[in-house]
Order: sequence, then C-alpha cells, then structure tokens
Amino acid sequence: DTAVSQTPKYLVTQMGNDKSIKCEQNLGHDTMYWYKQDSKKFLKIMFSYNNKELIINETVPNRFSPKSPDKAHLNLHINSLELGDSAVYFCATSNRAGGSDTQYFGPGTRLTVL
Amino acid sequence: GDSVTQMEGPVTLSEEAFLTINCTYTATGYPSLFWYVQYPGEGLQLLLKATKADDKGSNKGFEATYRKETTSFHLEKGSVQVSDSAVYFCALSGGSSGDKLTFGTGTRLAVRP
Repeated sequence: DTAVSQTPKYLVTQMGNDKSIKCEQNLGHDTMYWYKQDSKKFLKIMFSYNNKELIINETVPNRFSPKSPDKAHLNLHINSLELGDSAVYFCATSNRAGGSDTQYFGPGTRLTVL
Repeated sequence: GDSVTQMEGPVTLSEEAFLTINCTYTATGYPSLFWYVQYPGEGLQLLLKATKADDKGSNKGFEATYRKETTSFHLEKGSVQVSDSAVYFCALSGGSSGDKLTFGTGTRLAVRP
C-alpha cells in the first residue's frame, strides 16, 4: 500500500497545453509539498500546503497552480506548458502537527514538453 | 538564505571501499539535517537524519554526525556494495527557510563489483 502516490508517472505533451499532476497520501500527514527536479538532478521547493492552506509559494510562474481539495491530496495544474517545464516533479508529505520534520516523497512524475 | 554544499560527483568506488561524501551547510537557527538517497528511476528515500548538534544519524551501515562547529554533516560508510549505487542528497530544514527542504546538488555514487 503506497504511502505517497503520484499520477501519472510519465507525462509527454506539447508546448502550450494544460496538464495536471495528482498526489495522494495515506499517511494522515497534515503538510504536503511539490518539488521540481531539473535535468541536472537539482531539487527545489515549489509549494507547500498545511491543512489545505498554502504556506510556501516560492518564485514559481503563475502558470503553476496547486490545489488541495482535502488533506490527503495535493494537485499541481500547469497552464501553457513550456519546454523549460520539462522535469521530474515530486510530491512530499510531513507530519508537522506531530512534531516531525521528516518529509516522505512520492515516486515522481516525469514531465516532457515537446 | 539557507544553503547546502555537497562534493561534486560522480564518485566511483570498488566494492567494499570506504565512502565519504562531504556536506556543509549555511543556516541561521538550528536546522535539522538529512541525507536522502535516490536509486535509478525512483523517488527520494530518507536515509538518515540528525536534529541537533553532535547527533549521529545512522541507517543501513551509513552514518553522519551533525557538527555545528564545522557546519558539516558528512556521509560515511565503511564498506560499500554495488547496491549502494545511487544519487545522494544532503538537505536541511528548519533554519531561516522554515519547514521546506533545502537540498544540495546531489552526489552520484557508482560502485564497481
């Protein structure tokens, strides 16, 4: 039973399209994150939500819009995709209310924009 | 802001060799320090962590000690295996950057039989 799951695992699309990536966790954690890993493997935070409320919003183009319909889900919608959006996107979760700062990662979604 | 610096890779070792991957950090406050591992084609897994000065994190034969005086958290393993081949990321959270993870650039380790 996967703790943090993401769909799809691979996403290939054309420039200009709009796409969504979904993340679900069954750990009961209160905080969820999106990270972007570029082609050189560098990882950077994009957003984080705590109890469905946005608490971190790094310098990310506003074409990226996160949505948290409930505490177990955090989706990432991307409008007008560009070549530079090609990357692996990781969802992560943590139990901040439980006093833990450890983050647990999903398997990643590899996005390729052609 | 907070930052993490890791040694450049790739690191190539023979099986049973000793491994050290250097990591230093810059942060205000008292961050927690982590090592994550990414096996080929997979997501990140927590390898070990330390939350305060002089703490030692350990897991699967890997160790790292939180050294506040040198702002370091070097990863070590006494005898590497082929199955340890992966990318290793040093990271921190809880400094001035709040609860987000700030990562180093990653170090690729390749272990030869």
